[in-house]
Amino acid sequence: KQEVTQIPAALSVPEGENLVLNCSFTDSAIYNLQWFRQDPGKGLTSLLLIQSSQREQTSGRLNASLDKSSGRSTLYIAASQPGDSATYLCAVKQGNFNKFYFGSGTKLNVKP
Amino acid sequence: ETGVTQTPRHLVMGMTNKKSLKCEQHLGHNAMYWYKQSAKKPLELMFVYSLEERVENNSVPSRFSPECPNSSHLFLHLHTLQPEDSALYLCASSQDRSGYGYTFGSGTRLTVV
Repeated sequence: KQEVTQIPAALSVPEGENLVLNCSFTDSAIYNLQWFRQDPGKGLTSLLLIQSSQREQTSGRLNASLDKSSGRSTLYIAASQPGDSATYLCAVKQGNFNKFYFGSGTKLNVKP
Repeated sequence: ETGVTQTPRHLVMGMTNKKSLKCEQHLGHNAMYWYKQSAKKPLELMFVYSLEERVENNSVPSRFSPECPNSSHLFLHLHTLQPEDSALYLCASSQDRSGYGYTFGSGTRLTVV
């Protein structure tokens, strides 16, 4: 069974820092990988989706990379802002089925 | 609003009650999902409905019963729940199997007393 791990579980940084969130998965036979953001008490917002054939995706200050063979993905956030404070979740899609496996998330706090 | 609407936002129910959670999307998506989010646990997929398939997580107890009358509406019927079923229940939809356009609702915070 696919297992998704996110490290660290929590992260606190001063505003302006560049930071990296990590995601690892045990079964490299994935269809795609997504990074989501969740604000307290709310649903998830999709940030970036990387297909298994891709190495990275970028959106604004966010860059996500994928190394399928090693079972790893990273989310890079440049010039962090207090508004980036949220929980970031990584999810992998296994095969061509509508099933995502989620990590437990990294809770990010960006201090002004 | 994300385009996926869940009602109610909060629900408190006794263990002998019967209630239903509702999810509605008008994004033209073909797949809808129920997820359970418990404290300090990963999101757990409960059910998937799409044109191609209905998928159930075999570990979901029968006291949870999904219903998908059409591609825009999804229900989760609840009966004789346990306190450990208290969680945030999230509905999501996507265009198709690829996962593109994966959109979550804001969730229903369920408390079983």
